[in-house]
Amino acid sequence: DAGITQSPRHKVTETGTPVTLRCHQTENHRYMYWYRQDPGHGLRLIHYSYGVKDTDKGEVSDGYSVSRSKTEDFLLTLESATSSQTSVYFCAIRDNRNYGYTFGSGTRLTVV
Amino acid sequence: AQSVTQLGSHVSVSEGALVLLRCNYSSSVPPYLFWYVQYPNQGLQLLLKYTTGATLVKGINGFEAEFKKSETSFHLTKPSAHMSDAAEYFCAVSDRSNFGDEKLTFGTGTRLTIIP
Repeated sequence: DAGITQSPRHKVTETGTPVTLRCHQTENHRYMYWYRQDPGHGLRLIHYSYGVKDTDKGEVSDGYSVSRSKTEDFLLTLESATSSQTSVYFCAIRDNRNYGYTFGSGTRLTVV
Repeated sequence: AQSVTQLGSHVSVSEGALVLLRCNYSSSVPPYLFWYVQYPNQGLQLLLKYTTGATLVKGINGFEAEFKKSETSFHLTKPSAHMSDAAEYFCAVSDRSNFGDEKLTFGTGTRLTIIP
């Protein structure tokens, strides 16, 4: 399995503060993704990356930005957190060898 | 744009009974298709996927799914439910027509409850 880790695993933050979530992979995969999971909505794509410095928006990108300065790291930033961004965030990588997508363990973010 | 519909946000079956979770997709060309399982407070685990070849796909834990192009469906089945199958199941698709733009689109999930 691809090595993919997310940090932190849990975070509580106050409304209006910036927050950065980190996704780290160990196998040099080109594609990386950030999703959020909310009850009744399944997983929705926030942003994705197809290479260093190459990113694009997903269906729920408002209020989020991303950066990928190295192949192994994909950062998700909430510039000014809002209560509506309370969610579980998952990072994923795509393995071109078998067309598989592997997910991290998730980050549970609570905005109070 | 592609979309995924999972019929039934909650499904309950008795232990030992057939499990059937429904998934229909909307896509301009037959996509790649996936089923994931999520146990409470855990991440997503791949159950099975269809990319090409045989349309009946076998996965882990005794699950299988059949790709039916004419019905745009990819329903998940298991002949005999076990208590350990209680979880949330997600169907997902990836559009193979847009090379370089691959991303997964998920259904809203089906929570499976097993009745002892």
